[in-house]
Amino acid sequence: AQSVAQPEDQVNVAEGNPLTVKCTYSVSGNPYLFWYVQYPNRGLQFLLKYITGDNLVKGSYGFEAEFNKSQTSFHLKKPSALVSDSALYFCAVSGKGGSSNTGKLIFGQGTTLQVKP
Amino acid sequence: ETGVTQTPRHLVMGMTNKKSLKCEQHLGHNAMYWYKQSAKKPLELMFVYNFKEQTENNSVPSRFSPECPNSSHLFLHLHTLQPEDSALYLCASSQDPPDWGNNEQFFGPGTRLTVL
Repeated sequence: AQSVAQPEDQVNVAEGNPLTVKCTYSVSGNPYLFWYVQYPNRGLQFLLKYITGDNLVKGSYGFEAEFNKSQTSFHLKKPSALVSDSALYFCAVSGKGGSSNTGKLIFGQGTTLQVKP
Repeated sequence: ETGVTQTPRHLVMGMTNKKSLKCEQHLGHNAMYWYKQSAKKPLELMFVYNFKEQTENNSVPSRFSPECPNSSHLFLHLHTLQPEDSALYLCASSQDPPDWGNNEQFFGPGTRLTVL
């Protein structure tokens, strides 16, 4: 079965410092991995995805994520955090292969990122 | 209008009421989804439609009834709900069929539902 874990409920970082939001996954076959961001009273916005190829994926708003197959991780990173990055971040996984997989996205519980001035 | 829109944005209803949530996508996508987002819980996929046909019902109670008249519109009809159904209901769409797995979904702003 597919699953996603975001081990931190909240991440606090000072503006200008690098940030990391952690995500680990479990899926049969090759994973498709996604990051979404949700601002207050808004729907989820797509940030980036890993399908295949280069393990470092660049996305919107200066975010990037690194796919690590051996550690089954897909951590979200940004070199220099902004106060406006404060939001709820979701990691999601989808997989191909295996009779139980429909390709649907499985979301983690979300991590609240708080960037302080 | 661009992207995915949802109406109403807020809805308060009693347990005996009947109401409907509406979703419209202006992206030319072929697949549409309903999700439930409750506090402190992961997003729960409720229904999936691909080219107007329902392809997944994730064991959703029958008091939630989806309708997809075309690839651009999706409804969620609500009746005799319970207080525990109070949540943010999100609609999403994607270009490709969901069983391809590799395409991102685009979300609407959601309907905040409160059941009294």
